[in-house]
Amino acid sequence: DAKTTQPNSMESNEEEPVHLPCNHSTISGTDYIHWYRQLPSQGPEYVIHGLTSNVNNRMASLAIAEDRKSSTLILHRATLRDAAVYYCILRVPYNQGGKLIFGQGTELSVKP
Amino acid sequence: DAMVIQNPRYQVTQFGKPVTLSCSQTLNHNVMYWYQQKSSQAPKLLFHYYDKDFNNEADTPDNFQSRRPNTSFCFLDIRSPGLGDAAMYLCATSRDPRPSETQYFGPGTRLLVL
Repeated sequence: DAKTTQPNSMESNEEEPVHLPCNHSTISGTDYIHWYRQLPSQGPEYVIHGLTSNVNNRMASLAIAEDRKSSTLILHRATLRDAAVYYCILRVPYNQGGKLIFGQGTELSVKP
Repeated sequence: DAMVIQNPRYQVTQFGKPVTLSCSQTLNHNVMYWYQQKSSQAPKLLFHYYDKDFNNEADTPDNFQSRRPNTSFCFLDIRSPGLGDAAMYLCATSRDPRPSETQYFGPGTRLLVL
């Protein structure tokens, strides 16, 4: 199964940018990079996803390395509500399983 | 708002007593997933339905079964719950199983086994 590696935890100050790294050295050409986050006692929530190009949406930006072996989720201005576990996930094509395989995730804490 | 609904949010059952967890969706998505999440761990896929086709993960215990009577509803049946089955159970949906598609998760049902 395609695997991701993330730091166990990170800290940020409120209103500052946060860069959450993810390594996925075994990624193949058809695997998509997805990020989800999970707040305490809630189901995971979609954040962003991409294949090769950098992506932006209202929640975050995703920067994908040129060789695709790593990516970085960027929260432009952290708020207290962004404190959560952030999962970097590789999603393989359906004929190879197609499932979300969650890694260990990074627990982000945000200090006021 | 279109959403994924799980009932109940908390379920208490007795060791060995069958229990059913339910999930419904108003998104009209073709794929429905069940995940198990134990304390301080990441979610782990148990199985999924793509339309009426059931797909079981290789390491999902036989104790866990699922039913999808129609597009909107999907059930997780635990035939004889053990203490190790206490966990959060998450239902998710996606429009189709392509890797570019987003999964939408429900709030989860926390199962306690006494």
